[in-house]
Amino acid sequence: GESVGLHLPTLSVQEGDNSIINCAYSNSASDYFIWYKQESGKGPQFIIDIRSNMDKRQGQRVTVLLNKTVKHLSLQIAATQPGDSAVYFCAEKSPLNYGGSQGNLIFGKGTKLSVKP
Amino acid sequence: GAGVSQSPSNKVTEKGKDVELRCDPISGHTALYWYRQSLGQGLEFLIYFQGNSAPDKSGLPSDRFSAERTGGSVSTLTIQRTQQEDSAVYLCASSLAAALGGYTFGSGTRLTVV
Repeated sequence: GESVGLHLPTLSVQEGDNSIINCAYSNSASDYFIWYKQESGKGPQFIIDIRSNMDKRQGQRVTVLLNKTVKHLSLQIAATQPGDSAVYFCAEKSPLNYGGSQGNLIFGKGTKLSVKP
Repeated sequence: GAGVSQSPSNKVTEKGKDVELRCDPISGHTALYWYRQSLGQGLEFLIYFQGNSAPDKSGLPSDRFSAERTGGSVSTLTIQRTQQEDSAVYLCASSLAAALGGYTFGSGTRLTVV
């Protein structure tokens, strides 16, 4: 079946550098995407979302880019800090999922971000 | 409450015993989800409740797993005759509606079957 996947399972960056976490999705009908951050021992926490009618959305130090042509989603973190160390998950929602299948959101496998001081 | 509350935070049980995991969602959230996360892995969907509709149980791995949601609020995930492969973190999440918005997750229950 269609699913969300990540290109890099682990990413190590130097403090202060920018981080880019990538995600590929295969369901062209997906119209809503979310990035979650999961710190050790905690549940995933919402970071930023984007709808398919947009190609870029910015938050505080984070930017999500959506390329529907190649079905690619990325999360950019500016000036990465040690507190950004976590596992990052992308998730997609398709209109086909509304109403129940798989709980509406399909999660990717996750990328572990490690920030070196 | 202010967030999704799960209890217990940690549970160690002997193989073959039954366990109950509790989730108290955010007040007013009509949708509730259970996920399982094995060590270093992604989120495995288990079950989803939306209002008074029949739950989507398509993710439950075996008939040893069941869940209920009473009064549209608190949910209990029950695992009967636990096995070692059931060891994982069980995450609960809730949302305002199934169609839009993200989920708010609890901190999970870490289940260890010995």
